[in-house]
Amino acid sequence: GAGVSQSPRYKVAKRGQDVALRCDPISGHVSLFWYQQALGQGPEFLTYFQNEAQLDKSGLPSDRFFAERPEGSVSTLKIQRTQQEDSAVYLCASSSPRGINSPLHFGNGTRLTVT
Amino acid sequence: SQQGEEDPQALSIQEGENATMNCSYKTSINNLQWYRQNSGRGLVHLILIRSNEREKHSGRLRVTLDTSKKSSSLLITASRAADTASYFCATGAIIQGAQKLVFGQGTRLTINP
Repeated sequence: GAGVSQSPRYKVAKRGQDVALRCDPISGHVSLFWYQQALGQGPEFLTYFQNEAQLDKSGLPSDRFFAERPEGSVSTLKIQRTQQEDSAVYLCASSSPRGINSPLHFGNGTRLTVT
Repeated sequence: SQQGEEDPQALSIQEGENATMNCSYKTSINNLQWYRQNSGRGLVHLILIRSNEREKHSGRLRVTLDTSKKSSSLLITASRAADTASYFCATGAIIQGAQKLVFGQGTRLTINP
């Protein structure tokens, strides 16, 4: 594919429901990042994968948040028992194997609204 | 938590004028990157400057980095209406073996035709 693809584009969940957000990174990109962006704010780091290994999950706000990338390509961010404060845009980004000086390529995000 | 602070939070100028946005950060970095975000879209990478570089150009963009002051600036020359967007700086570092890219709060730029 041409870029990072995220689905769904929009998700409305009732408080207490579980949701799963999908990210298809650019083929061959080793690094994958999840960010959370509240309205009018900058993206906040959630978690980072290198291939299938989750090297940093320090940004996950609670144990209700879980991310996986089992085969080192597609990643899923799962939020259990959603709360209203989880409403935000969830952005996925991938980068090439050139390491820290590689720019990130972002998807258009999933806008989650918890009612 | 966010590392960078951007200044100003919002900027409105006339088409053709230059726009300058500033970013300050707190910790050691490997690089500093600037991204642009149009409403309802993902971020688009504009330019990356490494910690051992002081200035970098790309088309109408000029970025400076002063590691002694832990600050960077993004200059957009001869602005166009299509430059209207939010602009974010992000600091890149390796922390405990993992890449980390931390974003600032952003500057909302409006170019008036």
